[in-house]
Amino acid sequence: AQSVTQLGSHVSVSEGALVLLRCNYSSSVPPYLFWYVQYPNQGLQLLLKYTTGATLVKGINGFEAEFKKSETSFHLTKPSAHMSDAAEYFCAVVNSGGYQKVTFGTGTKLQVIP
Amino acid sequence: GAGVSQSPSNKVTEKGKDVELRCDPISGHTALYWYRQSLGQGLEFLIYFQGNSAPDKSGLPSDRFSAERTGGSVSTLTIQRTQQEDSAVYLCASSSRTSGIPREQYFGPGTRLTVT
Repeated sequence: AQSVTQLGSHVSVSEGALVLLRCNYSSSVPPYLFWYVQYPNQGLQLLLKYTTGATLVKGINGFEAEFKKSETSFHLTKPSAHMSDAAEYFCAVVNSGGYQKVTFGTGTKLQVIP
Repeated sequence: GAGVSQSPSNKVTEKGKDVELRCDPISGHTALYWYRQSLGQGLEFLIYFQGNSAPDKSGLPSDRFSAERTGGSVSTLTIQRTQQEDSAVYLCASSSRTSGIPREQYFGPGTRLTVT
């Protein structure tokens, strides 16, 4: 079975400050990991994904995430928050074997304070 | 090209009525997913279609929920005898392959269902 835990349903940061959104996963096989972003009244769109290879993954809008197997984590970071980053962020995991059911975390709403 | 589309965008219905929600995936995408997004609940998996294989219905919350996918393309999610707890945003997503390294899911804008 696979699962995803996102710590903090709401995170507030000041504009220009570091953004850190936490994601821990549980998977019985090597996972594939994703971060999606949902802007208000829109569907989800992919920010970045880890499949194989380099453990530091860069995505759109200056976001990046690092896969740490020893910590079973895939935290999302951005060095400097922008007002346009205010959205809800979802971490997701897919098992590398068998049928590709995607399990999403419960999401973290990011508020950026001017 | 066209993305995933869903209709209607909003649906208000009375408790006990049946509703149908439609999803048009990206052309050529073999995998189609339905999720439910309730306030503060994240994304709840409902059902997954892959090509002509039997769908994974393990996420459907009750037998009032059903879904079909005709011709490997358009999908309809049906909720019978709606209840107030069915109020949520229903999201559809599609992706281009179902084996090997997974591709991203492309999401539609969702259907907001309100049961009064």
